[in-house]
Amino acid sequence: DGGITQSPKYLFRKEGQNVTLSCEQNLNHDAMYWYRQDPGQGLRLIYYSQIVNDFQKGDIAEGYSVSREKKESFPLTVTSAQKNPTAFYLCASSIWSGVSSNQPQHFGDGTRLSIL
Amino acid sequence: AQTVTQSQPEMSVQEAETVTLSCTYDTSENNYYLFWYKQPPSRQMILVIRQEAYKQQNATENRFSVNFQKAAKSFSLKISDSQLGDTAMYFCAFMKHGSGNTGKLIFGQGTTLQVKP
Repeated sequence: DGGITQSPKYLFRKEGQNVTLSCEQNLNHDAMYWYRQDPGQGLRLIYYSQIVNDFQKGDIAEGYSVSREKKESFPLTVTSAQKNPTAFYLCASSIWSGVSSNQPQHFGDGTRLSIL
Repeated sequence: AQTVTQSQPEMSVQEAETVTLSCTYDTSENNYYLFWYKQPPSRQMILVIRQEAYKQQNATENRFSVNFQKAAKSFSLKISDSQLGDTAMYFCAFMKHGSGNTGKLIFGQGTTLQVKP
């Protein structure tokens, strides 16, 4: 079955440590997204990528980095510069056909990141 | 900038009854899409229904329907014959269409719905 796989399900970070969240999709989608979910705030966009080797900052990119070396993969690194990383992180993907695109996003099961 | 507001943090409904979740949005765009996503306790986001702004007809998916009022910038979700499996957090989301569209979704804060037996 096609879908989006996020790993790990739970992740703990020590002070000053960088951690990487994995997101893999086998839907052959062009676009991939990373969202952060905090209680009472809905989802906020961190980074997105519409094509391999290209990505753009979202609304809350500070303290995060991404790469898009393969169409299927869009890992998110939470760096030590992110001072409040405790949150639920969701990866999504969609078909992208340009500005007229209207395809909904499909989501993974998420990763819960906590500080030790 | 676009914003999406869900003014009901929590709601409850008896099984088999009907419930309506509210969503309002603010935009200067004329072309856009609106979505309702469901997030059950498992935390996976599931698309429930979507509406194209240029369509006057309200979208319907089985027990789920929307009341889209473009002039009022309102997009409510009606769940008929509520089932225990409908218990979840529901998010309203906005996406631009046309120039400036990045595929980005703008989400509301969510409404937690509890279906009671």
